[in-house]
Amino acid sequence: KAGVTQTPRYLIKTRGQQVTLSCSPISGHRSVSWYQQTPGQGLQFLFEYFSETQRNKGNFPGRFSGRQFSNSRSEMNVSTLELGDSALYLCASSLEFGQGLGNTIYFGEGSWLTVV
Amino acid sequence: AQSVTQLDSQVPVFEEAPVELRCNYSSSVSVYLFWYVQYPNQGLQLLLKYLSGSTLVKGINGFEAEFNKSQTSFHLRKPSVHISDTAEYFCAVSEVGNTPLVFGKGTRLSVIA
Repeated sequence: KAGVTQTPRYLIKTRGQQVTLSCSPISGHRSVSWYQQTPGQGLQFLFEYFSETQRNKGNFPGRFSGRQFSNSRSEMNVSTLELGDSALYLCASSLEFGQGLGNTIYFGEGSWLTVV
Repeated sequence: AQSVTQLDSQVPVFEEAPVELRCNYSSSVSVYLFWYVQYPNQGLQLLLKYLSGSTLVKGINGFEAEFNKSQTSFHLRKPSVHISDTAEYFCAVSEVGNTPLVFGKGTRLSVIA
């Protein structure tokens, strides 16, 4: 069974540009979450999608957005990139909605974004 | 809101020695607790989780953790580490209900030959 797949794995963008990251969950998983990982802040929750609807959102500015498609695949977008957006962006999937319900989430290997 | 404190940012230990990675959490309601491991240039992998029941939880790769409600702790232990255990370990908590996981800052375990 294939794991969570994230593309691209590495990318470099310039300040002010926008970026779209893609995530394919494990087959059969209906919930997708996104996290940002940086050395200073650690792992921070961005948002969780289930059935194409955003169910939870972390404390990030509106430049960070996402969506989920009917096949559960998800994308996240960051507009007007800033240097501080350089990070590893991790996608995770679970069978059902609700990390707070004890569902195990499975992480992809992440997308490394560098903003110059 | 819940929070997690991993008390040690780095833990060096000799191969075949025991190790304990400490985790304390703060929450006013019931919680679920998790330990994840991250190997270099990889995503996070679940080691074990506590949902309810026995406070001693066994996970993969010989790791175990004990939930202590009175001390609000969930320390991770392994009786004998291997070089391959070198990685970053994250403790995470979610409040029972509809809240996402909150992660600690991580503990870097370095196993020395």
